[in-house]
Amino acid sequence: EAQVTQNPRYLITVTGKKLTVTCSQNMNHEYMSWYRQDPGLGLRQIYYSMNVEVTDKGDVPEGYKVSRKEKRNFPLILESPSPNQTSLYFCASSLYGQEWTEAFFGQGTRLTVV
Amino acid sequence: AQTVTQSQPEMSVQEAETVTLSCTYDTSESDYYLFWYKQPPSRQMILVIRQEAYKQQNATENRFSVNFQKAAKSFSLKISDSQLGDAAMYFCAYVSGRGRDDKIIFGKGTRLHILP
Repeated sequence: EAQVTQNPRYLITVTGKKLTVTCSQNMNHEYMSWYRQDPGLGLRQIYYSMNVEVTDKGDVPEGYKVSRKEKRNFPLILESPSPNQTSLYFCASSLYGQEWTEAFFGQGTRLTVV
Repeated sequence: AQTVTQSQPEMSVQEAETVTLSCTYDTSESDYYLFWYKQPPSRQMILVIRQEAYKQQNATENRFSVNFQKAAKSFSLKISDSQLGDAAMYFCAYVSGRGRDDKIIFGKGTRLHILP
């Protein structure tokens, strides 16, 4: 089954404690991206990657890191989380080239930083 | 920079009626793609419909159709025969078709309520 898998689904952590949210896709998509969703603000792109070892900042990259060492994985790293990073996070992947396909989304990660 | 605007934060429609959600975007590109996504209470993001800018024909998927006006940069979603299961947050999204340095840009969403 074609899917994007995010883990964990829920996470409560304390300020400053490094965390990683994993994202993996099994569709051989080149494009992967991370979003945060906040009430009234929609989905805002944090980082995206158009292929292995190629990453670019989205609209809200501050406080986040990503890596793309393999095509299927695109982890989101919060080196020193702060309460303003409390949000719902989504990972997504797409196929592009001749045509852009839809973005396939993970199930979301609800992060709370206290 | 490209932007996507959904001017209706919330809408309500009576069950079985028709509703139209608006979306406008700003771009200088000629080749791009537009999407509508549905997010029900389960939080899962589900593709509703996809439109290629180079196609003049409006995309349709069963009860869902779009009115794509390229010159006006407008991409509205029409839901016919509304059902209770259509209640959700709907997001309009844009991506350039250049195939390099492409960001997928979402609007802020429209919450749709279905009244029984």
